[in-house]
Amino acid sequence: GAVVSQHPSWVICKSGTSVKIECRSLDFQATTMFWYRQFPKQSLMLMATSNEGSKATYEQGVEKDKFLINHASLTLSTLTVTSAHPEDSSFYICSASSPTSGSRYEQYFGPGTRLTVT
Amino acid sequence: RKEVEQDPGPFNVPEGATVAFNCTYSNSASQSFFWYRQDCRKEPKLLMSVYSSGNEDGRFTAQLNRASQYISLLIRDSKLSDSATYLCVVNILDRGSTLGRLYFGRGTQLTVWP
Repeated sequence: GAVVSQHPSWVICKSGTSVKIECRSLDFQATTMFWYRQFPKQSLMLMATSNEGSKATYEQGVEKDKFLINHASLTLSTLTVTSAHPEDSSFYICSASSPTSGSRYEQYFGPGTRLTVT
Repeated sequence: RKEVEQDPGPFNVPEGATVAFNCTYSNSASQSFFWYRQDCRKEPKLLMSVYSSGNEDGRFTAQLNRASQYISLLIRDSKLSDSATYLCVVNILDRGSTLGRLYFGRGTQLTVWP
Protein backbone atom coordinates (compact mmCIF):
# COMPACT_ATOMS: atom_id res chain seq x y z
CA GLY A 1 0.00 0.00 0.00
CA ALA A 2 0.84 3.73 0.08
CA VAL A 3 2.01 4.03 -3.51
CA VAL A 4 2.69 7.40 -5.07
CA SER A 5 3.24 7.87 -8.77
CA GLN A 6 4.65 10.78 -10.75
CA HIS A 7 4.36 11.65 -14.38
CA PRO A 8 6.40 12.18 -16.43
CA SER A 9 9.46 10.42 -15.06
CA TRP A 10 11.70 12.64 -17.12
CA VAL A 11 11.19 15.60 -19.40
CA ILE A 12 13.34 17.79 -21.58
CA CYS A 13 12.00 21.17 -22.52
CA LYS A 14 13.20 24.38 -24.10
CA SER A 15 13.90 27.49 -22.10
CA GLY A 16 10.81 29.65 -21.73
CA THR A 17 8.27 26.84 -21.92
CA SER A 18 6.13 25.47 -19.09
CA VAL A 19 6.15 21.93 -17.76
CA LYS A 20 3.49 20.21 -15.68
CA ILE A 21 4.33 17.37 -13.33
CA GLU A 22 1.62 15.19 -11.84
CA CYS A 23 1.73 13.43 -8.50
CA ARG A 24 -0.87 10.81 -7.67
CA SER A 25 -1.55 8.75 -4.58
CA LEU A 26 -2.72 5.43 -6.00
CA ASP A 27 -4.17 3.57 -3.06
CA PHE A 28 -4.90 6.18 -0.45
CA GLN A 29 -6.27 9.67 -0.16
CA ALA A 30 -3.59 12.24 0.44
CA THR A 31 -4.79 15.28 2.30
CA THR A 32 -1.31 16.74 2.13
CA MET A 33 1.27 16.53 -0.60
CA PHE A 34 4.77 17.91 -0.58
CA TRP A 35 6.96 19.01 -3.45
CA TYR A 36 10.72 18.72 -3.18
CA ARG A 37 13.61 19.59 -5.42
CA GLN A 38 17.00 17.94 -5.38
CA PHE A 39 20.09 19.21 -7.18
CA PRO A 40 23.02 16.83 -7.80
CA LYS A 41 24.81 15.82 -4.60
CA GLN A 42 22.48 18.00 -2.55
CA SER A 43 19.77 17.16 -0.07
CA LEU A 44 16.09 17.25 -0.86
CA MET A 45 14.74 20.72 -0.32
CA LEU A 46 11.09 21.28 0.39
CA MET A 47 9.53 23.67 -2.09
CA ALA A 48 5.94 23.75 -0.95
CA THR A 49 3.25 21.97 1.00
CA SER A 50 -0.14 21.57 -0.58
CA ASN A 51 -3.38 20.67 1.12
CA GLU A 52 -6.32 19.49 -0.88
CA GLY A 53 -8.66 22.29 -1.75
CA SER A 54 -6.52 25.13 -0.47
CA LYS A 55 -3.58 27.22 -1.59
CA ALA A 56 -0.13 25.77 -1.29
CA THR A 57 2.31 27.02 1.33
CA TYR A 58 5.64 27.87 -0.25
CA GLU A 59 9.02 27.76 1.44
CA GLN A 60 11.08 30.88 1.66
CA GLY A 61 12.85 31.61 -1.60
CA VAL A 62 10.48 29.59 -3.77
CA GLU A 63 8.56 31.74 -6.24
CA LYS A 64 4.90 30.83 -6.10
CA ASP A 65 4.21 32.46 -9.47
CA LYS A 66 6.88 30.35 -11.09
CA PHE A 67 6.06 27.05 -9.45
CA LEU A 68 2.30 26.70 -9.62
CA ILE A 69 0.83 24.02 -7.42
CA ASN A 70 -2.69 22.70 -7.66
CA HIS A 71 -4.12 20.06 -5.32
CA ALA A 72 -7.61 19.74 -6.68
CA SER A 73 -8.41 16.26 -5.40
CA LEU A 74 -7.35 13.91 -2.64
CA THR A 75 -5.32 11.83 -5.07
CA LEU A 76 -3.75 14.39 -7.39
CA SER A 77 -1.42 17.34 -7.06
CA THR A 78 0.29 19.08 -9.94
CA LEU A 79 3.39 21.25 -10.11
CA THR A 80 3.78 23.51 -13.12
CA VAL A 81 7.17 25.05 -13.75
CA THR A 82 6.39 28.17 -15.74
CA SER A 83 8.84 29.85 -18.09
CA ALA A 84 11.45 27.26 -17.31
CA HIS A 85 15.14 28.17 -17.39
CA PRO A 86 18.23 25.95 -17.38
CA GLU A 87 18.73 26.64 -13.66
CA ASP A 88 15.36 24.97 -13.02
CA SER A 89 16.83 21.68 -14.24
CA SER A 90 16.58 19.38 -11.25
CA PHE A 91 15.01 16.26 -9.81
CA TYR A 92 11.50 17.07 -8.60
CA ILE A 93 9.98 14.66 -6.11
CA CYS A 94 6.55 14.68 -4.55
CA SER A 95 5.43 12.93 -1.43
CA ALA A 96 2.06 12.31 0.07
CA SER A 97 0.87 11.90 3.58
CA SER A 98 -2.42 11.12 5.20
CA PRO A 99 -3.48 9.87 8.61
CA THR A 100 -4.86 6.79 6.91
CA SER A 101 -1.61 5.91 5.10
CA GLY A 102 0.32 4.90 8.16
CA SER A 103 2.28 6.78 10.78
CA ARG A 104 1.16 10.36 10.67
CA TYR A 105 4.77 11.45 10.38
CA GLU A 106 5.56 9.23 7.44
CA GLN A 107 5.62 10.47 3.90
CA TYR A 108 5.47 8.28 0.82
CA PHE A 109 7.58 9.47 -2.06
CA GLY A 110 6.90 9.39 -5.74
CA PRO A 111 9.62 8.14 -8.09
CA GLY A 112 10.58 11.67 -9.07
CA THR A 113 10.65 13.65 -12.29
CA ARG A 114 13.94 14.63 -13.84
CA LEU A 115 13.59 17.96 -15.62
CA THR A 116 16.19 19.21 -18.05
CA VAL A 117 15.75 22.66 -19.53
CA THR A 118 17.84 23.37 -22.61
CA ARG B 1 23.10 26.34 10.35
CA LYS B 2 21.49 23.38 8.61
CA GLU B 3 18.76 21.48 10.38
CA VAL B 4 20.43 18.13 9.70
CA GLU B 5 24.14 17.53 9.26
CA GLN B 6 25.74 14.39 7.93
CA ASP B 7 29.20 13.33 6.90
CA PRO B 8 28.85 13.04 3.10
CA GLY B 9 31.48 10.32 2.87
CA PRO B 10 32.02 8.49 0.64
CA PHE B 11 32.43 5.34 2.65
CA ASN B 12 34.00 2.50 0.69
CA VAL B 13 33.92 -0.82 2.53
CA PRO B 14 34.37 -4.48 1.60
CA GLU B 15 31.53 -6.96 1.75
CA GLY B 16 30.95 -8.19 5.25
CA ALA B 17 32.24 -5.03 6.91
CA THR B 18 30.43 -3.09 9.59
CA VAL B 19 29.90 0.57 8.87
CA ALA B 20 28.41 3.38 10.97
CA PHE B 21 26.88 6.66 9.89
CA ASN B 22 26.31 9.62 12.14
CA CYS B 23 23.99 12.55 11.97
CA THR B 24 23.24 15.58 14.12
CA TYR B 25 20.19 17.78 14.15
CA SER B 26 19.89 21.32 15.40
CA ASN B 27 16.25 21.70 16.40
CA SER B 28 15.42 20.28 19.80
CA ALA B 29 11.74 20.35 18.83
CA SER B 30 12.33 17.58 16.30
CA GLN B 31 9.63 14.99 16.83
CA SER B 32 10.57 11.93 14.88
CA PHE B 33 13.58 10.57 13.10
CA PHE B 34 14.25 8.36 10.14
CA TRP B 35 16.90 6.88 7.95
CA TYR B 36 16.08 6.82 4.26
CA ARG B 37 18.01 5.14 1.49
CA GLN B 38 18.36 6.75 -1.91
CA ASP B 39 19.74 4.95 -4.92
CA CYS B 40 21.27 6.89 -7.78
CA ARG B 41 18.64 8.91 -9.67
CA LYS B 42 15.81 7.41 -7.62
CA GLU B 43 13.47 8.65 -4.93
CA PRO B 44 14.28 8.18 -1.23
CA LYS B 45 12.86 5.05 0.36
CA LEU B 46 12.26 4.68 4.07
CA LEU B 47 14.81 2.34 5.61
CA MET B 48 13.73 2.61 9.22
CA SER B 49 12.35 4.92 11.82
CA VAL B 50 14.56 5.72 14.78
CA TYR B 51 13.21 5.40 18.30
CA SER B 52 14.61 6.73 21.55
CA SER B 53 15.24 3.26 22.86
CA GLY B 54 17.15 2.30 19.76
CA ASN B 55 15.88 -0.23 17.29
CA GLU B 56 17.13 -2.96 15.08
CA ASP B 57 15.92 -4.36 11.78
CA GLY B 58 18.00 -7.28 10.63
CA ARG B 59 21.50 -6.02 9.89
CA PHE B 60 20.53 -2.42 10.56
CA THR B 61 20.59 -0.76 13.97
CA ALA B 62 19.53 2.81 14.62
CA GLN B 63 20.21 4.85 17.73
CA LEU B 64 18.92 8.20 18.90
CA ASN B 65 20.42 10.41 21.58
CA ARG B 66 18.04 13.29 22.20
CA ALA B 67 20.30 14.96 24.73
CA SER B 68 23.11 15.20 22.19
CA GLN B 69 20.74 15.54 19.22
CA TYR B 70 22.56 12.74 17.53
CA ILE B 71 21.36 9.86 15.38
CA SER B 72 23.31 6.89 14.14
CA LEU B 73 22.89 3.98 11.76
CA LEU B 74 24.95 0.82 11.97
CA ILE B 75 25.05 -1.65 9.12
CA ARG B 76 26.51 -5.06 9.89
CA ASP B 77 27.70 -7.66 7.39
CA SER B 78 27.51 -5.22 4.48
CA LYS B 79 26.16 -6.49 1.18
CA LEU B 80 26.87 -5.21 -2.30
CA SER B 81 23.21 -4.21 -2.48
CA ASP B 82 23.68 -1.86 0.47
CA SER B 83 25.54 0.54 -1.83
CA ALA B 84 23.45 3.72 -1.84
CA THR B 85 23.19 7.12 -0.23
CA TYR B 86 21.76 7.10 3.29
CA LEU B 87 19.73 10.12 4.30
CA CYS B 88 19.21 11.21 7.87
CA VAL B 89 15.77 12.78 8.19
CA VAL B 90 14.00 14.53 11.03
CA ASN B 91 10.41 15.61 11.30
CA ILE B 92 9.56 18.87 13.00
CA LEU B 93 5.98 19.55 13.89
CA ASP B 94 5.30 23.13 12.89
CA ARG B 95 2.87 25.08 15.02
CA GLY B 96 -0.65 24.45 13.82
CA SER B 97 0.34 21.45 11.73
CA THR B 98 -0.56 17.86 12.43
CA LEU B 99 1.94 16.38 9.99
CA GLY B 100 5.04 18.49 10.38
CA ARG B 101 7.70 18.69 7.75
CA LEU B 102 10.73 16.64 6.95
CA TYR B 103 14.27 17.97 6.92
CA PHE B 104 16.82 15.94 5.01
CA GLY B 105 20.53 15.67 5.46
CA ARG B 106 22.72 15.72 2.36
CA GLY B 107 23.22 12.01 2.68
CA THR B 108 26.17 9.72 3.25
CA GLN B 109 27.33 7.76 0.25
CA LEU B 110 28.20 4.12 0.80
CA THR B 111 29.90 1.82 -1.67
CA VAL B 112 30.33 -1.83 -0.76
CA TRP B 113 32.90 -3.62 -2.90
CA PRO B 114 33.33 -7.37 -3.41
